[in-house]
Amino acid sequence: QVQLQESGPGLVKPSQTLSLTCTVSGGSISSGSYYWSWIRQPAGKGLEWIGRIYTSGSTNYNPSLKSRVTISVDTSKNQFSLKLSSVTAADTAVYYCARAPLATYYFDYWGQGTLVTVSS
Amino acid sequence: QSALTQPASVSGSPGQSITISCTGTSSDVGSYNLVSWYQQHPGKAPKLMIYEGSKRPSGVSNRFSGSKSGNTASLTISGLQAEDEADYYCCSYAGSSTFHVVFGGGTKLTVL
Repeated sequence: QVQLQESGPGLVKPSQTLSLTCTVSGGSISSGSYYWSWIRQPAGKGLEWIGRIYTSGSTNYNPSLKSRVTISVDTSKNQFSLKLSSVTAADTAVYYCARAPLATYYFDYWGQGTLVTVSS
Repeated sequence: QSALTQPASVSGSPGQSITISCTGTSSDVGSYNLVSWYQQHPGKAPKLMIYEGSKRPSGVSNRFSGSKSGNTASLTISGLQAEDEADYYCCSYAGSSTFHVVFGGGTKLTVL
């Protein structure tokens, strides 16, 4: 059974860069059968797709966040990562990593989520 | 691309059926049968309940079903049970020059 686990600082200062890592276990991120995404959820609000990456390093980003987002993959560690620059309080949210089967548009496995607070 | 529109809340009694709507546009829900639905209990990660409009993943009860008409997708839960009380989110491929998906704002289901 595949498992995803987010990790990273829980507190980031305004204008700095938020950095999170998702570690995948129970399956290889290099299998080529999945896309790996980041999704966030502000407290009491809905879900927002941030972006995704394929094993090859090919990425797609939410147009509303594209200028600030970088997603990368480290197949040797079975991990993928998120960097969100120039953060503000509006970026405070629970951040999830999730898996989507290739050529599909749904997320079948999710991490438990990690809360990131942007505050000085 | 704007978020999909869902009712803020719905409720029903045990054993009853409820339907949650998810309204998009001809650019997302209306153009593709690619809506998925997620159940989220407080403090937990979302769980996939329906994909590609009406398909159920292995292990999901057949009390959950999905459908679509025009620009509106729907999730129906029959034989309501107490454990169905949760937030539900729809999601659709938004289809543009680049890959993009949009979520609904979420619906709080209360089992009375």
